[in-house]
Amino acid sequence: KAGVTQTPRYLIKTRGQQVTLSCSPISGHRSVSWYQQTPGQGLQFLFEYFSETQRNKGNFPGRFSGRQFSNSRSEMNVSTLELGDSALYLCASSLKGRENTEAFFGQGTRLTVV
Amino acid sequence: LAKTTQPISMDSYEGQEVNITCSHNNIATNDYITWYQQFPSQGPRFIIQGYKTKVTNEVASLFIPADRKSSTLSLPRVSLSDTAVYYCLVGDPLSGGYNKLIFGAGTRLAVHP
Repeated sequence: KAGVTQTPRYLIKTRGQQVTLSCSPISGHRSVSWYQQTPGQGLQFLFEYFSETQRNKGNFPGRFSGRQFSNSRSEMNVSTLELGDSALYLCASSLKGRENTEAFFGQGTRLTVV
Repeated sequence: LAKTTQPISMDSYEGQEVNITCSHNNIATNDYITWYQQFPSQGPRFIIQGYKTKVTNEVASLFIPADRKSSTLSLPRVSLSDTAVYYCLVGDPLSGGYNKLIFGAGTRLAVHP
């Protein structure tokens, strides 16, 4: 079966702009989580959606937001981009979202803010 | 979520067995232990998960002592392609812990020819 798909793979934006990243989970998976990975901070949890509802949120400013659609696809948006937002953004999906199951990660979107 | 401590880096040679130990002194009763592997510019990949004693799959073994305050990931006969960062995570799946994965710094494993 197809894995987690993230688009686009690479993105270059200018400071002050906004960006929308997309994540298509594995078919049947209802939980989608987002993570930011930078060399300095490592892998950090952004937020998690389950059945179109945000269930968990990490310690990021309000410029970072997300949503999930009825087909479980998810988008995250970053407004007023800053240089420090340059990172690899990863999306992960899991089957039920509450039980002892593994998370499947996508390849990520590499965002560069200039 | 329990905090984990792992060595920052390890070196090994092809064909050797590699053991990476993770400390989680504050592990809770309902917490499971999970290991992920990550290659550069890719998302982490699930390796193995366990609650107690020993778990083995086609890729690795996970040893968990009775007090569960630590765990050891064992990679048999590593190859160059096992060069990656390995993360140990601890969480309670029933509280949604596996949808909010808290990654530490991980262990950077370098396998040499």
